[in-house]
Amino acid sequence: AAGVIQSPRHLIKEKRETATLKCYPIPRHDTVYWYQQGPGQDPQFLISFYEKMQSDKGSIPDRFSAQQFSDYHSELNMSSLELGDSALYFCASSPARLPSVDTQYFGPGTRLTVL
Amino acid sequence: KQEVTQIPAALSVPEGENLVLNCSFTDSAIYNLQWFRQDPGKGLTSLLLIQSSQREQTSGRLNASLDKSSGRSTLYIAASQPGDSATYLCAAYPRGGYNKLIFGAGTRLAVHP
Repeated sequence: AAGVIQSPRHLIKEKRETATLKCYPIPRHDTVYWYQQGPGQDPQFLISFYEKMQSDKGSIPDRFSAQQFSDYHSELNMSSLELGDSALYFCASSPARLPSVDTQYFGPGTRLTVL
Repeated sequence: KQEVTQIPAALSVPEGENLVLNCSFTDSAIYNLQWFRQDPGKGLTSLLLIQSSQREQTSGRLNASLDKSSGRSTLYIAASQPGDSATYLCAAYPRGGYNKLIFGAGTRLAVHP
């Protein structure tokens, strides 16, 4: 069965650089979520999209922005990177049609290292 | 604000033992609760989702229960195996949260032969 695809899997950047993470949801899933998991921490919700519109926002820095495109893939753009941005970034997708609730399926994550 | 707590933080057991991992949440007004497994440096694998109207879910050697009134969920692992060694995370879907998950810090499980 198709799964959530994230690219790249690993990314190394210098401080103050910009990074773009991509997420391709499971086909026919129109809801996408982004989570950040710092070293030794639990995943924290960043932002979500439903039908290409932002549906919810969590603890996402102003330096980060995201969008969902017409083909439902999503991109997380991170600018002015800081050392503290080093983390595993997960994307999840769900067939949920808000306000109903359904299982979120997680991608393998993108490991971002900021030097 | 919804908070999710998992006890114990770490657990080391010999192979074959039956285990209970605990998860508690501060606000009983949740939609669903989901259990995940995470291997070191890897992604999240969904194990079980308990919907709001359900009390438990089973998959193979895993059984998860949900008691919303007491704000608790347990994950029961029968006949543990070394391959079960991983971190187990529970996550709650808070009401009004548009499905964003609130995660606990996880229980690190080590099953030794």
